[in-house]
Amino acid sequence: DGGITQSPKYLFRKEGQNVTLSCEQNLNHDAMYWYRQDPGQGLRLIYYSQIVNDFQKGDIAEGYSVSREKKESFPLTVTSAQKNPTAFYLCASNKDSGNTIYFGEGSWLTVV
Amino acid sequence: AQSVTQLGSHVSVSEGALVLLRCNYSSSVPPYLFWYVQYPNQGLQLLLKYTSAATLVKGINGFEAEFKKSETSFHLTKPSAHMSDAAEYFCAVMDSSASKIIFGSGTRLSIRP
Repeated sequence: DGGITQSPKYLFRKEGQNVTLSCEQNLNHDAMYWYRQDPGQGLRLIYYSQIVNDFQKGDIAEGYSVSREKKESFPLTVTSAQKNPTAFYLCASNKDSGNTIYFGEGSWLTVV
Repeated sequence: AQSVTQLGSHVSVSEGALVLLRCNYSSSVPPYLFWYVQYPNQGLQLLLKYTSAATLVKGINGFEAEFKKSETSFHLTKPSAHMSDAAEYFCAVMDSSASKIIFGSGTRLSIRP
């Protein structure tokens, strides 16, 4: 089945450690996105990529990094520079600009 | 710049009652507008989208939304609420460069038995 797969679903990290969240899609979508969602709040855009080997910062990119080496993959690294990383992270994709955006099931990151 | 405002962070209705979730947008160009639903600990699912083909848009699960340019609104409605409708609902707009979608802060819908 086509879709967006995020892993892991739940992740615990010690302060000072980097962690990478995986996002893979087999929808042949060109654009991919990472959003952060805090409890009771809306979605905030971290990074997005419209084509392979190119990506742009969103509204809250500080403390995060991404890569887009393959069309189907858009991993997000939460670095130790991110001051408050505990949140729900959502990966999304769409075919091209103007089209519906589809979401993965999300990943919970907790810093302990 | 495009933006979306959802009025009311929490709406509670009785089962069988009308559901009305409010969304206002700002856009300098004809917008693409979306409503998404999120169940606990899950990603977002598309309910419906407006792309200028028709002002009244029908979506899944009996929901519909009407685009009103004069009011810059895109309110979501459902004639009769069901317990399974309890979830978080997000209104969103495609930005002017059509490179990303901007989300509202969300409205949590609760259904009373």
